[in-house]
Amino acid sequence: KQEVTQIPAALSVPEGENLVLNCSFTDSAIYNLQWFRQDPGKGLTSLLLIQSSQREQTSGRLNASLDKSSGRSTLYIAASQPGDSATYLCAVYGRLGSSNTGKLIFGQGTTLQVKP
Amino acid sequence: GAVVSQHPSWVICKSGTSVKIECRSLDFQATTMFWYRQFPKQSLMLMATSNEGSKATYEQGVEKDKFLINHASLTLSTLTVTSAHPEDSSFYICSARRGLLMNTEAFFGQGTRLTVV
Repeated sequence: KQEVTQIPAALSVPEGENLVLNCSFTDSAIYNLQWFRQDPGKGLTSLLLIQSSQREQTSGRLNASLDKSSGRSTLYIAASQPGDSATYLCAVYGRLGSSNTGKLIFGQGTTLQVKP
Repeated sequence: GAVVSQHPSWVICKSGTSVKIECRSLDFQATTMFWYRQFPKQSLMLMATSNEGSKATYEQGVEKDKFLINHASLTLSTLTVTSAHPEDSSFYICSARRGLLMNTEAFFGQGTRLTVV
């Protein structure tokens, strides 16, 4: 059974710092991996989707990497801002044979606070 | 990205009543939709996979008679929480895939906050 773990559970940094959020998964037979942001009481905002054949994706100050063989992904946030404060979730797409099941298995999330 | 809309965004109901939550794909057809729930300070857990024109597939431990799912069209899936109780209070989120291509991503609705009093 696939399990997704995120470390740390919470993180507090001063504004301007670069930071790394970690995600690990137990079964390397994944399809895609996706990073989301969730603000308190709100739904999910997709940040980056890394397809199984890719090793990284970049969007603005965000960079996500994927190493399927080691079961790890990292989300790098450059020059953090108070507006980045939120919970960040990573999720892997389940794989059944050669098919993408579409089901997402989520980590517990990392709650980030960026202090002004 | 594609748009998935959930309605209502929040609902308060009395214990014992039923509540229906709608999930719509606004600009694409979705043969498959997924329903997740999230308890406070916890992550999202998949409840069921909703398939257009057929029965939903429920994850282990999810009561199918309590959480009724109907996917009557390619753009609409509904989740009905029957005889709701306070322990059903949670955040419910749906997602939909555009097509069946292997690398298509899932798009999420904005969620529905259910409070049972």
